[in-house]
Amino acid sequence: DADVTQTPRNRITKTGKRIMLECSQTKGHDRMYWYRQDPGLGLRLIYYSFDVKDINKGEISDGYSVSRQAQAKFSLSLESAIPNQTALYFCATSAQVGGYTFGSGTRLTVV
Amino acid sequence: GNSVTQMEGPVTLSEEAFLTINCTYTATGYPSLFWYVQYPGEGLQLLLKATKADDKGSNKGFEATYRKETTSFHLEKGSVQVSDSAVYFCALSLANAGGTSYGKLTFGQGTILTVHP
Repeated sequence: DADVTQTPRNRITKTGKRIMLECSQTKGHDRMYWYRQDPGLGLRLIYYSFDVKDINKGEISDGYSVSRQAQAKFSLSLESAIPNQTALYFCATSAQVGGYTFGSGTRLTVV
Repeated sequence: GNSVTQMEGPVTLSEEAFLTINCTYTATGYPSLFWYVQYPGEGLQLLLKATKADDKGSNKGFEATYRKETTSFHLEKGSVQVSDSAVYFCALSLANAGGTSYGKLTFGQGTILTVHP
């Protein structure tokens, strides 16, 4: 099994719908992150969490919310999806010292 | 604020050619520098990293040296293969003097590399 698992892998949804992207990890890391990838813009941080009771906004948090249900689970929600939220979304984990582990991504299309 | 700038892409090379992808950064404190690779349809994988000035990261024939004086971390490979075709991201993360990361990664915009036989 992958260290960081994202579900679903692909999703097409309609404008205005609520959608949740899920992430679970078996790394035992306290820190989890959600990034968004757009062509030519690299990855940008949406939200991050350093433990179960800690939630922080990243650089592009508007229109998104998150929930840290457990150390191993970190979900991202789009309350009312809009077309410019069409992107590739990555979950990642890290330890305090050391590298990051990324999931395989969720490709979201909002029509 | 912190930022990472990569050379404009895409980059197209023939097999066995020399590769350089430029990366420069702006950061305060103690940045660690990374190169990540994303193969088609996959997530990001750490390619190499350097945590302090003059460190050289290396992996799979790729190298990058942390140059504080020029705030650069250019990626190089002496002889590319078709299998190296991917998107390459330069990134930084800040840490305190003791090496504990502040957590967030700041990415460059990515460089698409295509290698032809």
